[in-house]
Amino acid sequence: QQPVQSPQAVILREGEDAVINCSSSKALYSVHWYRQKHGEAPVFLMILLKGGEQKGHDKISASFNEKKQQSSLYLTASQLSYSGTYFCGTGRLSARQLTFGSGTQLTVLP
Amino acid sequence: DAGVIQSPRHEVTEMGQEVTLRCKPISGHNSLFWYRQTMMRGLELLIYFNNNVPIDDSGMPEDRFSAKMPNASFSTLKIQPSEPRDSAVYFCASSFAPTEAFFGQGTRLTVV
Repeated sequence: QQPVQSPQAVILREGEDAVINCSSSKALYSVHWYRQKHGEAPVFLMILLKGGEQKGHDKISASFNEKKQQSSLYLTASQLSYSGTYFCGTGRLSARQLTFGSGTQLTVLP
Repeated sequence: DAGVIQSPRHEVTEMGQEVTLRCKPISGHNSLFWYRQTMMRGLELLIYFNNNVPIDDSGMPEDRFSAKMPNASFSTLKIQPSEPRDSAVYFCASSFAPTEAFFGQGTRLTVV
């Protein structure tokens, strides 16, 4: 079953923060975050493997609440290069294949 | 490494014709995935191979779609006969560990 992402779209100014949520009615075994720029392939951002885990690089971080079956992606002090569509994917690690959410379109304006 | 290589990048074909999409995964990767992306349905997994063996093809829409992986460095996705509703961007991705998947640049298929 496809995870649900919110919001569907967000527009912000350079330097502002954003949060993208990913939730599932089924258990989330692992959460993978990808970003896709227009006309390009999705690019891996990070993976969270267990509840309570938090990760981040640069000013993009994520958390995983296993009990609530949700994950959140945090973009701090957004840059123009952050624009794109963000997808969360989930699946059993043993199976490897992912089911992706419908995506959140993020637009950062100067 | 050149990354995952897909061909062709663009394909325009007439309804009823056979279409073959090709993918060369990253050397050393043992998992290969075919995804389809449309505005309506988002990014859908079509089929997943592990060590050249199809593991999960539950996402293949119907019998018109077939996929093969004859060796570790090549896979094909075939649509026969093609229909306008098959128009989409088809991505191939490969991975080694059950973590990061590397996507190819995709094939934009238009069926008229």
